[in-house]
Amino acid sequence: DVKVTQSSRYLVKRTGEKVFLECVQDMDHENMFWYRQDPGLGLRLIYFSYDVKMKEKGDIPEGYSVSREKKERFSLILESASTNQTSMYLCASSLYGTGGTGELFFGEGSRLTVL
Amino acid sequence: DAKTTQPPSMDCAEGRAANLPCNHSTISGNEYVYWYRQIHSQGPQYIIHGLKNNETNEMASLIITEDRKSSTLILPHATLRDTAVYYCIVWFSSGSARQLTFGSGTQLTVLP
Repeated sequence: DVKVTQSSRYLVKRTGEKVFLECVQDMDHENMFWYRQDPGLGLRLIYFSYDVKMKEKGDIPEGYSVSREKKERFSLILESASTNQTSMYLCASSLYGTGGTGELFFGEGSRLTVL
Repeated sequence: DAKTTQPPSMDCAEGRAANLPCNHSTISGNEYVYWYRQIHSQGPQYIIHGLKNNETNEMASLIITEDRKSSTLILPHATLRDTAVYYCIVWFSSGSARQLTFGSGTQLTVLP
């Protein structure tokens, strides 16, 4: 089975701190995604990556950056955390192209609180 | 903006069929309909997907209208563990993931 592992389930950080959220998948998937989820707003796409060192902005990239140095790992970076970035962050991966079903595999989520 | 429209909430009696509707009137010819569900405090879980034919797996059935502008996810015998938020999305896996958006979904509550 595909496994998407997020490094931390719960984090508490202070305003202005740099925050790293790590995500690793074990199925050699090309696509990886970062979403945030807030009550009443569903899942909103922050960034995605379709290959190593490749990235594209999603709907809400402001205040975030990403890094994909290896195929299996996709990191979300908050350069200077703010209280409005308190949220649940979800990582996902999928196989690219018609060779796969396009199914997204999600991690368990990382709940970040910024004080 | 999400390309699908779902009712915000639905109730269903335990043991009865749960029918969750989704409108996707702007779906294009190569886009699939996907359904996911999210149980509280967990990541979303894939349920089923389809292009134009009806599909069934061990979890659910997916009925897509002939014009493909809407679909219905059917949980044939709902249990309390099916209480979750259900998301309907449309996507072509070789297309841009920029278009892979989730709306707010439908909160299904299965009542004892």
